[in-house]
Amino acid sequence: DAGVTQSPTHLIKTRGQHVTLRCSPISGHKSVSWYQQVLGQGPQFIFQYYEKEERGRGNFPDRFSARQFPNYSSELNVNALLLGDSALYLCASSLDEGFDGYTFGSGTRLTVV
Amino acid sequence: GEDVEQSLFLSVREGDSSVINCTYTDSSSTYLYWYKQEPGAGLQLLTYIFSNMDMKQDQRLTVLLNKKDKHLSLRIADTQTGDSAIYFCAESPRRLTFGSGTRLQVQP
Repeated sequence: DAGVTQSPTHLIKTRGQHVTLRCSPISGHKSVSWYQQVLGQGPQFIFQYYEKEERGRGNFPDRFSARQFPNYSSELNVNALLLGDSALYLCASSLDEGFDGYTFGSGTRLTVV
Repeated sequence: GEDVEQSLFLSVREGDSSVINCTYTDSSSTYLYWYKQEPGAGLQLLTYIFSNMDMKQDQRLTVLLNKKDKHLSLRIADTQTGDSAIYFCAESPRRLTFGSGTRLQVQP
């Protein structure tokens, strides 16, 4: 069985640009969450989606948005990129809303120059 | 607000036991997790414990939870060089709140 897959694995963008990150959950998992991990820190919660509805939003500006599709895959969009958005973006999926634990993908490394 | 704290670094010799500690503040935490992250990789779920449990053992891993003191620990028996990584504790429900991670260095 495939785990959580994220694309692309690495990305370099210029300040002010827009980026879309993609995530495919484990088959059968209905919840997807997004986390930002800045170098040297623990992951910070950005969004959670369950059954295509937003179930939680972290303390991130409106430049960050996400959605979940009918096949439970998800996109994270970031507009007007800042240097401080450079981080590892992690997607996690879970069977329900996460009580049995989350499985993380390998992440997308975003570098903003 | 929610806060999870961990010590930054732990160094042990191969074959010794490692104990990684974590404290949290959210009294509504229902699940507490330990994740492992190797360089350049995502997070690997090691184990988790429900808040109504005191202890959970899973092969070389032992998790202890002191709910009164909001203290969580992970003991790794017979630590191997392959256990060298950053270990994160996290609490939930729903959204995970992570500590800043403990870097475990295993010396041969």
